[in-house]
Amino acid sequence: QKEVEQDPGPLSVPEGAIVSLNCTYSNSAFQYFMWYRQYSRKGPELLMYTYSSGNKEDGRFTAQVDKSSKYISLFIRDSQPSDSATYLCAMSADAGGTSYGKLTFGQGTILTVHP
Amino acid sequence: SAVISQKPSRDICQRGTSLTIQCQVDSQVTMMFWYRQQPGQSLTLIATANQGSEATYESGFVIDKFPISRPNLTFSTLTVSNMSPEDSSIYLCSARQGNTEAFFGQGTRLTVV
Repeated sequence: QKEVEQDPGPLSVPEGAIVSLNCTYSNSAFQYFMWYRQYSRKGPELLMYTYSSGNKEDGRFTAQVDKSSKYISLFIRDSQPSDSATYLCAMSADAGGTSYGKLTFGQGTILTVHP
Repeated sequence: SAVISQKPSRDICQRGTSLTIQCQVDSQVTMMFWYRQQPGQSLTLIATANQGSEATYESGFVIDKFPISRPNLTFSTLTVSNMSPEDSSIYLCSARQGNTEAFFGQGTRLTVV
């Protein structure tokens, strides 16, 4: 079993739809959670960063973390064709130890928003 | 946020040769990492580049194959040695200041023929 599981999709939605992307994880030491967007032939671009449990909103994007369920989500409201990309969840453990700073990624979800 | 420049952005190399990828960060950062992203796959950590000391490699990656340098807090290089077609991949540099956000370069797309 992988440490981080993410449905690879692909996911296809019409423009304006609400998109829900999810990851589950098994390592209870993970404290820092990130969502990246990656366009074809580009590096990952950071969308959201959260620490521990809770919600964080930034424009059309909302990130949720439920540590009790080891489950994180990214919601995209009013999705646009320009949101078409691969979305990667990533997480890391707290300070200290050999895992300090390292990110563990999900497999990535391919999203297409069609006009 | 940190801006990370990687070069080359892409290269086509002959098997058996080596390629050195450079990573420059626009500010001093405590941690720099090198990842590999194989076609259609997610990112896998190769190693942590330690300033002034030997890099720390993840399971399955060795120094002889992927020597890494980090002479200061803003610069690192990754060399892919004795390349084979299986090394064809995107190589990504990442920078992180403590437990804050991690940023990535645009990647180096390597094709080995």
